[in-house]
Amino acid sequence: EDKVVQSPLSLVVHEGDTVTLNCSYEVTNFRSLLWYKQEKKAPTFLFMLTSSGIEKKSGRLSSILDKKELFSILNITATQTGDSAVYLCAVEATSGTYKYIFGTGTRLKVLA
Amino acid sequence: DGGITQSPKYLFRKEGQNVTLSCEQNLNHDAMYWYRQDPGQGLRLIYYSQIVNDFQKGDIAEGYSVSREKKESFPLTVTSAQKNPTAFYLCASSKRTSGEQYFGPGTRLTVT
Repeated sequence: EDKVVQSPLSLVVHEGDTVTLNCSYEVTNFRSLLWYKQEKKAPTFLFMLTSSGIEKKSGRLSSILDKKELFSILNITATQTGDSAVYLCAVEATSGTYKYIFGTGTRLKVLA
Repeated sequence: DGGITQSPKYLFRKEGQNVTLSCEQNLNHDAMYWYRQDPGQGLRLIYYSQIVNDFQKGDIAEGYSVSREKKESFPLTVTSAQKNPTAFYLCASSKRTSGEQYFGPGTRLTVT
């Protein structure tokens, strides 16, 4: 059975801290891994990773994929209160059709 | 502006009634998806459709039905057979062969 596991489930940090969120997966026919940020309603796209070892960056956020060990990490440096959200990891798999398997998410709270 | 819309934002129904949630996109995406999100859980796939007039069951399709008569529209009906329908429902779309999904704002359904 395909599964995606995120850790930790929740995290509380202070502004300025650096955090690392983890996502491990077991899926057949892996195609890509995606990170989303969900603040209140709709998740918004952060990164899509398809190749091992290539870091993707956007401002203070970065992410990398390890296809051998089947995991990805999302780093946030110099955290701000606006980073408080649920961070979702999803793996896109193909088996004739495409579908996405989501993890339960990591709830990050950044305190001022 | 291109995007994906869901209506209504909040929906209240009595037990035993069927209810239909609307999802429309003008992104010209082939693929559309319905997810359910419960507190503390990730997104669980209900149904997805890669092309018009075709759709597949996701992991928790029981008690739900969909149609895909137009590329832009993918309505979800929550039937009285769904045992625990109260949840937050998210619709998403993507290009058929691309990883990134775009999400609608969601519909929060409460059944009493």
